[in-house]
Amino acid sequence: GAGVSQSPSNKVTEKGKDVELRCDPISGHTALYWYRQRLGQGLEFLIYFQGNSAPDKSGLPSDRFSAERTGESVSTLTIQRTQQEDSAVYLCASSPQPSGATLSTDTQYFGPGTRLTVL
Amino acid sequence: AQSVSQHNHHVILSEAASLELGCNYSYGGTVNLFWYVQYPGQHLQLLLKYFSGDPLVKGIKGFEAEFIKSKFSFNLRKPSVQWSDTAEYFCAVNSDAGNMLTFGGGTRLMVKP
Repeated sequence: GAGVSQSPSNKVTEKGKDVELRCDPISGHTALYWYRQRLGQGLEFLIYFQGNSAPDKSGLPSDRFSAERTGESVSTLTIQRTQQEDSAVYLCASSPQPSGATLSTDTQYFGPGTRLTVL
Repeated sequence: AQSVSQHNHHVILSEAASLELGCNYSYGGTVNLFWYVQYPGQHLQLLLKYFSGDPLVKGIKGFEAEFIKSKFSFNLRKPSVQWSDTAEYFCAVNSDAGNMLTFGGGTRLMVKP
């Protein structure tokens, strides 16, 4: 079946511009996560959506970062006034975990990522 | 807050050698533990996970990992690596503090044919 898809696969932008990244999760998955991977580093959590609950934004590095999700479908991550330190691969993952799960054992399925380069 | 350490950043082995990649986490509460792998040009995918029961977990492609609670460790092992195991390996945890994964820095494994 179809996996998690992300677009664009690559994005080059100039410092100060806004960018929007898109994630299409696996159909039926209630949980959606955004992570960031800087060059040579592990993944950092950014934001987490679970069903209709308020998103967990605890990983967002600054107020220039925001994300939305419509129901249990597409999510967009927006970075305003991009800076060079925002250059990274942005990864989206989805999981079937049921609402209210406080410690999910479900696998997170990752998309291919969007490589963002800020010049 | 939880954290994950992978001590080996780069590992080079010859085919048929045994592999052990270290992973330690810090968190005092209940955790689930995961190993993900990223083959060149491919997505991150799950190799194995532990959440309860037998602390020795078997995953795909002959990999296994052992959860040692007293050492806060979840080391990945394979008795005999193949060239096709060349990839980057990530250890991760989630906990009762939140379902998001906390990742280690990754280990790049190169297997020489």
